[in-house]
Amino acid sequence: DIQMTQSPSTLSASVGDRVTITCRASQSISSWLAWYHQKPGKAPKLLIYGASSLESGVPSRFSGSGSGTEFTLTIGSLQPDDFGTYSCQQYQSYSTFGQGTKVEIK
Amino acid sequence: QVQLQESGPGLVKPSETLSLTCRVSSYSVNSKYYWGWIRQPPGKGLEWIGSIYQSVSTYDNPALKSRLTISLDTSKNEFSLKLSFVTAADTAVYYCVASRGGEYGAFDNWGQGTMVTVSS
Repeated sequence: DIQMTQSPSTLSASVGDRVTITCRASQSISSWLAWYHQKPGKAPKLLIYGASSLESGVPSRFSGSGSGTEFTLTIGSLQPDDFGTYSCQQYQSYSTFGQGTKVEIK
Repeated sequence: QVQLQESGPGLVKPSETLSLTCRVSSYSVNSKYYWGWIRQPPGKGLEWIGSIYQSVSTYDNPALKSRLTISLDTSKNEFSLKLSFVTAADTAVYYCVASRGGEYGAFDNWGQGTMVTVSS
């Protein structure tokens, strides 16, 4: 199994802040990585696929980078609607998700 | 945009079979999409269950494979999940999903989710 580890588990930031979330894979997954945003009681929403490709309709303040085992999701300027949990997912070998990063707005 | 809607019992007894259906709108289940299931236990992370493509191929999470059946019904334009011999550990919100990229994701379309509780 490929294990996905996210950090931090929780972060608190102000509107306008630049926010970075990291995801590490237990072995190389090339660029087979996606990021999702989930609000309480709602289904996750795809933000990024292929490690750095922005899903259609997703604001440009979201960006992804990395390859191999280390990946980053960056929110360029945090907005009030960005609260919730962000999860990474590898889809090179079967599919596994990170445990999630909860983003709170200060 | 693919629209997905889960349906099925919200309560299943231990050792019985969990059965859910996902109705697909706006696309044929025989289209280029891969269809799948993901679950999320209360307060926990997401777990991929399995996927299916055009009734030709199924892809199962190895941890669930022995209990899992995913199938397609083209006449109703829906796909289904059956998970046998359930325990409390199978209590979760179950999402049906669609991927245009492949059997393991990324999943660009999600149903709203349905809560299934395993309890006697």
